[in-house]
Amino acid sequence: SQTIHQWPATLVQPVGSPLSLECTVEGTSNPNLYWYRQAAGRGLQLLFYSVGIGQISSEVPQNLSASRPQDRQFILSSKKLLLSDSGFYLCAWNLGQDEQFFGPGTRLTVL
Amino acid sequence: GQSLEQPSEVTAVEGAIVQINCTYQTSGFYGLSWYQQHDGGAPTFLSYNALDGLEETGRFSSFLSRSDSYGYLLLQELQMKDSASYFCAVSNFNKFYFGSGTKLNVKP
Repeated sequence: SQTIHQWPATLVQPVGSPLSLECTVEGTSNPNLYWYRQAAGRGLQLLFYSVGIGQISSEVPQNLSASRPQDRQFILSSKKLLLSDSGFYLCAWNLGQDEQFFGPGTRLTVL
Repeated sequence: GQSLEQPSEVTAVEGAIVQINCTYQTSGFYGLSWYQQHDGGAPTFLSYNALDGLEETGRFSSFLSRSDSYGYLLLQELQMKDSASYFCAVSNFNKFYFGSGTKLNVKP
């Protein structure tokens, strides 16, 4: 069966510090991978998606970047965090246009 | 651009039926899906409609009208565990756009 891992579960970082969040998927090959951010009480904002190794599409210009070094690994990074980067970061995967499978998420607080 | 509208909050009693509406405007459209999210958790998939009509999965049903850019999620025989946020999402060629969510409060 397919599983998706994200770590860490929670993170508190100072403004201006770097960020690296990792997501890995097991049990599937060549999935589409996604990074979302959810502010408290809000919907999910699509940040990046990838249809293959090294292929990254950015939805929202910001100080975040993403990379896909391996088929089932997706990394979200920042060189310098802003207060507005706080939120619940969710990684997801799918194979088509219907169901997306979400990881457990990382709750990031930037102070 | 993409925009989805759904009510921010709905309250219903246990055992009742509730309908959560979603209207959308999108430059491309493959289908409409629904997700449930409990406080502190990740969203989980409920249903997907690519064609007009009603899809039924147990106590949950979802409807789509492509000509009206409209869909709804119908929850029957409400249970306390159905208290959660519900999101509609449109898919557009590998991209998914979510509404801001409807918080459902189920009361005894």
